[in-house]
Amino acid sequence: EVQLVESGGGLVKPGGSLRLSCAASGFTFSTYSMNWVRQAPGKGLEWVSSISSRSSYIYYADSVKGRFTISRDNAKNSLYLQMHSLRAEDTAVYYCAKGNWNDVGGEIDYWGQGTLVTVSS
Amino acid sequence: DIQMTQSPSSLSASVGDRVTVTCRASQDITNYLAWYQQKPGKIPKLLIYAASTLQSGVPSRFSGSGSGTDFTLTISSLQPEDVATYYCQKYHSAPLTFGGGTKVEIK
Repeated sequence: EVQLVESGGGLVKPGGSLRLSCAASGFTFSTYSMNWVRQAPGKGLEWVSSISSRSSYIYYADSVKGRFTISRDNAKNSLYLQMHSLRAEDTAVYYCAKGNWNDVGGEIDYWGQGTLVTVSS
Repeated sequence: DIQMTQSPSSLSASVGDRVTVTCRASQDITNYLAWYQQKPGKIPKLLIYAASTLQSGVPSRFSGSGSGTDFTLTISSLQPEDVATYYCQKYHSAPLTFGGGTKVEIK
């Protein structure tokens, strides 16, 4: 059974930093691309970032480019999102999501339960 | 970047009705389109990929069609458990943009 378990969310002040983690199991993590998708309270889904299976290709939404860094450790079956210079508009539930391709792209066939990031003073 | 536009943003229909949701891409995305269902308080769930391929376990009352720039999600006979927000997404290349969502309610 595929499982994606996020951690690291919480309350942070504007301008602060946070690191999200996602522990994956139930599939061969090293052969699939991974994504972060967020959802602000009461809003729709917003793609944040993607990383290919071997970290060769990385992409970011314009809204987070230069502030967020996605990474993965295939030996630990883990995905990360380092977030800096956080803003109120970054407040959202952040989902770890598995892509169905090894390159960036592919439909998202599994989602984690999400971790809430709240940016507020 | 390619924009994804869904319509309507919300709809209300009776149980048993045929429901159609539309997604339009600002450029040709061939058939690299997915549909997701998100029930209230739940995580998103993949319904359809490659514009028309039903994900395993998804009821056959759901179907998808289209290619290029215009796509449709159809629920052939709306059921109470289909109350949800539905999102389309292009996925052939980054950014993996989602549509704005269509909230489906029971009349």
